[in-house]
Amino acid sequence: EIVLTQSPGTLSLSPGERATLSCRASQSVRNNYLAWYQQKVGQAPRLLIYDASTRVIGIPDRFSGSGSGTDFTLTISRLEAEDFAVYYCQQYVTSPRALTFGGGTKVEIK
Amino acid sequence: QVQLVESGGGVVQPGRSLRLSCEASGFTFSSYGMHWVRQAPGKGLEWVAIIWDDGRNQYYADSVKDRFSIFRDNSKNTLYLQMDSLRAEDTAVYYCARGTSNLRYWGQGTLVTVSS
Repeated sequence: EIVLTQSPGTLSLSPGERATLSCRASQSVRNNYLAWYQQKVGQAPRLLIYDASTRVIGIPDRFSGSGSGTDFTLTISRLEAEDFAVYYCQQYVTSPRALTFGGGTKVEIK
Repeated sequence: QVQLVESGGGVVQPGRSLRLSCEASGFTFSSYGMHWVRQAPGKGLEWVAIIWDDGRNQYYADSVKDRFSIFRDNSKNTLYLQMDSLRAEDTAVYYCARGTSNLRYWGQGTLVTVSS
């Protein structure tokens, strides 16, 4: 089983600042099969990035994903009010037999 | 547009059963694998189960194996989750989601509360 560890648990930032979220895997994520989701309170998760760096159509370009192997990063270049939410990484190397999610990073207003 | 609508949640006693449904529309349901993902109150996302597009293969998280069953009726565009021997720790919002790898579309979720 691939375990995903996200850090930090909480990120306190102001609008306009840059957010850098980390996702570390317990073993190499083959083919960069890693996705990022955003979840706001009371809502379902929304897919932002897949294959580590491909942005879903309609997702603003201030969101970017990078990384390979065991270390991945989601960067929000300039935080806007609607970006304050919880972000999860997810691996699908083991798809279609299983998926795993990281524990999440909460981005809160400082 | 793609829509996934879950139903069937509610309050159930420990040890009892519940069946969730997820009605799909706006795409060719029989062409996609489908997942159930849950989220306990105040906690993160936990993958529960997957069923392949043709329904022939299903896989489960260890936490629900042998208690939950995922199945689908492609003629009704509906996904199901049969939950037996429910425990307090199964209390969560249950989401259905489309896809085999990354999950592009999600339902709004249905709350299951296991309590005496």
